[in-house]
Amino acid sequence: QIQLVQSGPELKKPGESVKISCKASGYTFTDYAMHWVKQAPGKGLKWMGWINTYTGKPTYADDFKGRFVFSLEASASTANLQISNLKNEDTATYFCARGSGEGFAYWGQGTLVTVSS
Amino acid sequence: DIMMTQSPLSVAVTPGESASISCRSSKSLLHSNGITYLSWYLQRPEKSPQLLIYQISNLASGVSGRFSGSGSGTDFTLKISRVETEDVGIYYCVQFLEVPPTFGGGTKLELK
Repeated sequence: QIQLVQSGPELKKPGESVKISCKASGYTFTDYAMHWVKQAPGKGLKWMGWINTYTGKPTYADDFKGRFVFSLEASASTANLQISNLKNEDTATYFCARGSGEGFAYWGQGTLVTVSS
Repeated sequence: DIMMTQSPLSVAVTPGESASISCRSSKSLLHSNGITYLSWYLQRPEKSPQLLIYQISNLASGVSGRFSGSGSGTDFTLKISRVETEDVGIYYCVQFLEVPPTFGGGTKLELK
Protein backbone atom coordinates (compact mmCIF):
# COMPACT_ATOMS: atom_id res chain seq x y z
CA GLN A 1 0.00 0.00 0.00
CA ILE A 2 1.04 3.59 -0.57
CA GLN A 3 2.80 5.17 2.40
CA LEU A 4 4.66 8.35 3.15
CA VAL A 5 6.71 8.03 6.32
CA GLN A 6 8.30 11.15 7.75
CA SER A 7 11.20 11.55 10.15
CA GLY A 8 10.65 12.18 13.82
CA PRO A 9 10.09 15.37 15.84
CA GLU A 10 12.86 17.93 16.13
CA LEU A 11 13.76 20.45 18.82
CA LYS A 12 16.00 23.22 17.57
CA LYS A 13 17.32 26.59 18.68
CA PRO A 14 16.80 29.80 16.71
CA GLY A 15 19.41 30.11 13.98
CA GLU A 16 19.93 26.36 13.62
CA SER A 17 18.93 24.22 10.64
CA VAL A 18 16.71 21.17 10.35
CA LYS A 19 16.17 18.54 7.69
CA ILE A 20 12.95 16.54 7.49
CA SER A 21 12.63 13.45 5.35
CA CYS A 22 9.62 11.84 3.70
CA LYS A 23 10.11 8.27 2.48
CA ALA A 24 7.63 7.00 -0.07
CA SER A 25 6.70 3.39 -0.72
CA GLY A 26 4.09 1.43 -2.62
CA TYR A 27 4.37 3.35 -5.89
CA THR A 28 6.92 4.63 -8.40
CA PHE A 29 8.41 7.64 -6.66
CA THR A 30 9.23 9.59 -9.80
CA ASP A 31 5.67 9.35 -11.18
CA TYR A 32 4.18 11.86 -8.75
CA ALA A 33 5.15 15.28 -7.43
CA MET A 34 5.78 15.75 -3.73
CA HIS A 35 4.28 18.72 -1.96
CA TRP A 36 5.01 20.23 1.44
CA VAL A 37 2.39 21.76 3.74
CA LYS A 38 2.90 23.70 6.98
CA GLN A 39 0.57 23.71 9.97
CA ALA A 40 1.44 26.04 12.83
CA PRO A 41 0.14 25.00 16.27
CA GLY A 42 -3.64 25.37 16.37
CA LYS A 43 -3.71 26.88 12.89
CA GLY A 44 -4.77 25.85 9.41
CA LEU A 45 -2.87 24.42 6.48
CA LYS A 46 -0.52 26.35 4.22
CA TRP A 47 1.03 25.07 1.02
CA MET A 48 4.78 25.56 0.93
CA GLY A 49 5.58 24.31 -2.56
CA TRP A 50 6.45 21.17 -4.43
CA ILE A 51 9.25 19.27 -6.04
CA ASN A 52 9.17 17.49 -9.37
CA THR A 53 10.39 14.04 -8.39
CA TYR A 54 11.41 13.24 -11.97
CA THR A 55 13.55 16.31 -12.67
CA GLY A 56 14.28 17.41 -9.12
CA LYS A 57 13.08 20.94 -9.82
CA PRO A 58 11.59 22.64 -6.76
CA THR A 59 8.93 25.35 -6.75
CA TYR A 60 8.40 27.47 -3.64
CA ALA A 61 5.41 29.47 -2.50
CA ASP A 62 6.25 33.14 -1.98
CA ASP A 63 6.36 32.87 1.82
CA PHE A 64 8.85 30.01 1.63
CA LYS A 65 11.54 31.40 -0.64
CA GLY A 66 15.02 31.80 0.79
CA ARG A 67 15.42 29.63 3.89
CA PHE A 68 13.54 26.56 2.64
CA VAL A 69 14.99 23.91 0.36
CA PHE A 70 13.28 20.89 -1.15
CA SER A 71 15.53 18.06 -2.29
CA LEU A 72 15.40 14.42 -3.29
CA GLU A 73 17.17 11.17 -2.69
CA ALA A 74 15.41 9.53 -5.62
CA SER A 75 17.29 6.27 -5.28
CA ALA A 76 15.81 6.03 -1.79
CA SER A 77 12.35 7.29 -2.81
CA THR A 78 12.78 10.11 -0.32
CA ALA A 79 11.94 13.79 -0.42
CA ASN A 80 13.54 16.20 2.02
CA LEU A 81 12.71 19.61 3.42
CA GLN A 82 15.54 21.65 4.90
CA ILE A 83 14.93 24.85 6.83
CA SER A 84 17.90 27.05 7.67
CA ASN A 85 18.28 29.93 10.12
CA LEU A 86 15.27 28.70 12.09
CA LYS A 87 12.93 31.26 13.66
CA ASN A 88 10.31 30.88 16.37
CA GLU A 89 7.58 31.18 13.75
CA ASP A 90 8.90 28.07 12.02
CA THR A 91 7.51 26.04 14.93
CA ALA A 92 4.95 23.87 13.17
CA THR A 93 4.07 20.44 11.91
CA TYR A 94 5.29 19.89 8.38
CA PHE A 95 3.54 17.42 6.11
CA CYS A 96 4.63 15.90 2.83
CA ALA A 97 1.79 15.01 0.46
CA ARG A 98 1.75 13.22 -2.87
CA GLY A 99 0.30 15.25 -5.69
CA SER A 100 -2.04 13.85 -8.32
CA GLY A 101 -5.12 14.75 -10.34
CA GLU A 102 -7.14 14.21 -7.18
CA GLY A 103 -5.08 16.72 -5.25
CA PHE A 104 -3.26 15.40 -2.19
CA ALA A 105 -4.56 11.86 -1.79
CA TYR A 106 -1.69 10.64 0.40
CA TRP A 107 -0.02 12.42 3.29
CA GLY A 108 2.85 11.73 5.61
CA GLN A 109 2.14 11.55 9.32
CA GLY A 110 3.69 14.98 9.87
CA THR A 111 6.90 16.10 11.55
CA LEU A 112 6.75 18.54 14.45
CA VAL A 113 9.57 21.06 14.48
CA THR A 114 9.86 23.10 17.66
CA VAL A 115 12.10 26.14 17.66
CA SER A 116 12.92 27.39 21.13
CA SER A 117 15.86 28.92 22.91
CA ASP B 1 -3.99 34.12 -4.59
CA ILE B 2 -7.50 32.65 -4.55
CA MET B 3 -9.14 33.14 -1.15
CA MET B 4 -11.22 30.32 0.31
CA THR B 5 -13.82 31.17 2.94
CA GLN B 6 -15.58 28.50 4.96
CA SER B 7 -18.66 28.69 7.14
CA PRO B 8 -19.52 28.05 9.86
CA LEU B 9 -16.34 28.11 11.92
CA SER B 10 -17.72 25.29 13.99
CA VAL B 11 -20.76 23.06 14.04
CA ALA B 12 -22.12 20.75 16.76
CA VAL B 13 -24.14 17.80 15.51
CA THR B 14 -26.13 15.07 17.22
CA PRO B 15 -24.89 11.64 16.13
CA GLY B 16 -27.13 10.30 13.39
CA GLU B 17 -28.10 13.73 12.11
CA SER B 18 -26.67 15.56 9.09
CA ALA B 19 -24.25 18.47 8.80
CA SER B 20 -23.40 20.83 5.98
CA ILE B 21 -20.32 22.98 5.52
CA SER B 22 -20.02 25.78 3.01
CA CYS B 23 -16.99 27.00 1.11
CA ARG B 24 -16.74 30.05 -1.12
CA SER B 25 -13.85 30.94 -3.41
CA SER B 26 -12.82 34.44 -4.49
CA LYS B 27 -12.94 33.40 -8.15
CA SER B 28 -14.51 30.62 -10.14
CA LEU B 29 -12.69 27.31 -9.79
CA LEU B 30 -13.90 26.08 -13.18
CA HIS B 31 -10.99 25.33 -15.49
CA SER B 32 -11.24 25.70 -19.25
CA ASN B 33 -11.07 21.90 -19.45
CA GLY B 34 -14.44 21.72 -17.74
CA ILE B 35 -13.11 20.44 -14.40
CA THR B 36 -13.66 22.35 -11.18
CA TYR B 37 -10.69 21.94 -8.89
CA LEU B 38 -12.26 21.96 -5.44
CA SER B 39 -11.49 19.31 -2.85
CA TRP B 40 -12.50 18.60 0.73
CA TYR B 41 -10.30 17.20 3.49
CA LEU B 42 -10.90 16.01 7.05
CA GLN B 43 -8.21 16.36 9.67
CA ARG B 44 -9.04 14.24 12.69
CA PRO B 45 -7.44 15.26 15.99
CA GLU B 46 -3.67 14.75 15.93
CA LYS B 47 -3.81 13.16 12.47
CA SER B 48 -2.85 14.06 8.93
CA PRO B 49 -5.51 15.49 6.62
CA GLN B 50 -7.48 12.90 4.68
CA LEU B 51 -8.88 13.48 1.20
CA LEU B 52 -12.67 13.09 1.19
CA ILE B 53 -13.91 14.64 -2.05
CA TYR B 54 -12.17 15.93 -5.18
CA GLN B 55 -13.43 17.90 -8.19
CA ILE B 56 -16.52 19.02 -6.25
CA SER B 57 -18.26 15.68 -5.88
CA ASN B 58 -15.97 12.72 -6.55
CA LEU B 59 -15.62 10.50 -3.52
CA ALA B 60 -12.02 9.54 -2.74
CA SER B 61 -11.12 5.89 -2.50
CA GLY B 62 -12.19 4.26 0.74
CA VAL B 63 -14.28 7.23 1.91
CA SER B 64 -17.75 6.60 3.31
CA GLY B 65 -20.72 7.31 1.07
CA ARG B 66 -22.13 9.43 3.90
CA PHE B 67 -19.95 12.24 2.52
CA SER B 68 -21.09 14.14 -0.53
CA GLY B 69 -20.04 17.32 -2.27
CA SER B 70 -21.91 19.76 -4.45
CA GLY B 71 -21.71 23.22 -5.92
CA SER B 72 -20.27 25.07 -8.85
CA GLY B 73 -18.25 28.14 -9.76
CA THR B 74 -17.50 29.80 -6.45
CA ASP B 75 -19.93 28.16 -4.02
CA PHE B 76 -19.54 24.66 -2.68
CA THR B 77 -21.04 22.46 0.01
CA LEU B 78 -19.92 19.37 1.85
CA LYS B 79 -22.70 17.31 3.38
CA ILE B 80 -22.18 14.65 6.00
CA SER B 81 -25.14 12.32 6.49
CA ARG B 82 -25.77 10.31 9.63
CA VAL B 83 -22.85 11.82 11.51
CA GLU B 84 -20.71 9.36 13.46
CA THR B 85 -18.08 9.73 16.16
CA GLU B 86 -15.28 9.21 13.64
CA ASP B 87 -16.41 12.30 11.71
CA VAL B 88 -15.15 14.62 14.45
CA GLY B 89 -12.36 16.91 13.32
CA ILE B 90 -11.65 19.93 11.16
CA TYR B 91 -12.86 20.08 7.58
CA TYR B 92 -10.97 22.07 4.96
CA CYS B 93 -11.87 22.99 1.42
CA VAL B 94 -8.96 23.50 -0.99
CA GLN B 95 -8.68 24.91 -4.47
CA PHE B 96 -6.26 23.45 -6.98
CA LEU B 97 -7.16 25.65 -9.95
CA GLU B 98 -4.22 27.97 -9.51
CA VAL B 99 -0.84 27.93 -7.85
CA PRO B 100 -0.59 28.29 -4.92
CA PRO B 101 -3.25 25.82 -3.81
CA THR B 102 -5.13 27.57 -1.02
CA PHE B 103 -7.04 26.16 1.92
CA GLY B 104 -10.13 27.45 3.65
CA GLY B 105 -9.75 28.33 7.30
CA GLY B 106 -11.43 25.13 8.42
CA THR B 107 -14.71 24.13 10.04
CA LYS B 108 -14.60 22.22 13.29
CA LEU B 109 -17.22 19.50 13.65
CA GLU B 110 -18.08 18.39 17.17
CA LEU B 111 -20.70 16.06 18.58
CA LYS B 112 -23.51 17.23 20.84
